[in-house]
Amino acid sequence: EVQLVESGGGLVQPGRSLKLSCAASGFTFSNYYMAWVRQAPKKGLEWVATISTSGSRTYYPDSVKGRFTISRDNAKSSLYLQMNSLKSEDTATYYCARRRHGGFDYWGQGVMVTVSS
Amino acid sequence: EIVLTQSPTTTAASPGEKVTITCLASSSVSNMYWYQQKSGASPKLLIYSTSSLASGVPDRFSGSGSGTSYSLTINTMEAEDAATYYCQQWSSNPDTFGAGTKLELK
Repeated sequence: EVQLVESGGGLVQPGRSLKLSCAASGFTFSNYYMAWVRQAPKKGLEWVATISTSGSRTYYPDSVKGRFTISRDNAKSSLYLQMNSLKSEDTATYYCARRRHGGFDYWGQGVMVTVSS
Repeated sequence: EIVLTQSPTTTAASPGEKVTITCLASSSVSNMYWYQQKSGASPKLLIYSTSSLASGVPDRFSGSGSGTSYSLTINTMEAEDAATYYCQQWSSNPDTFGAGTKLELK
């Protein structure tokens, strides 16, 4: 059974940093592109980052480019999201997701990040 | 950035009724993806590559479309289908999602 379990969320002040983790199991992690998708409270879904199987290629939307860094450790079947210079508009539930066929075929339960002073 | 416009924003259907949700793209895309999100839960992939049913998804769900116009159809509404539905494209960077369609049980 595919499982994605996020951790590392919480309350952080504007301008500070936070690192999210996602532990994957039930599939060969190194064979899949992985991604982060977020959802602000009572809002829709927003893609945040994608990483290739080896980690050599990463992709971001303009809203987080230069502030967020996605990475992975295939030996640990783990995905990460380093978030720097956080803003109030980054407040959201962050989901770890597996990419397949161009979509997101499995999602974690999500982790809440609140950016507030 | 490709903008995806979903309609309707909200709708309600009775059990057994047919439901169609549309997703219009601001530019042509090669494929569309559809997700279901129930209250308090993570999104779930329903349809990939426009018309392929994801694993475990009931066959009352179907997808179709091409170019800038895509649709998700629920052939016969069931109570468990009450949820918010999102379309998504990855033909053009960045990946974008529609704003969602809330489907309620009548």
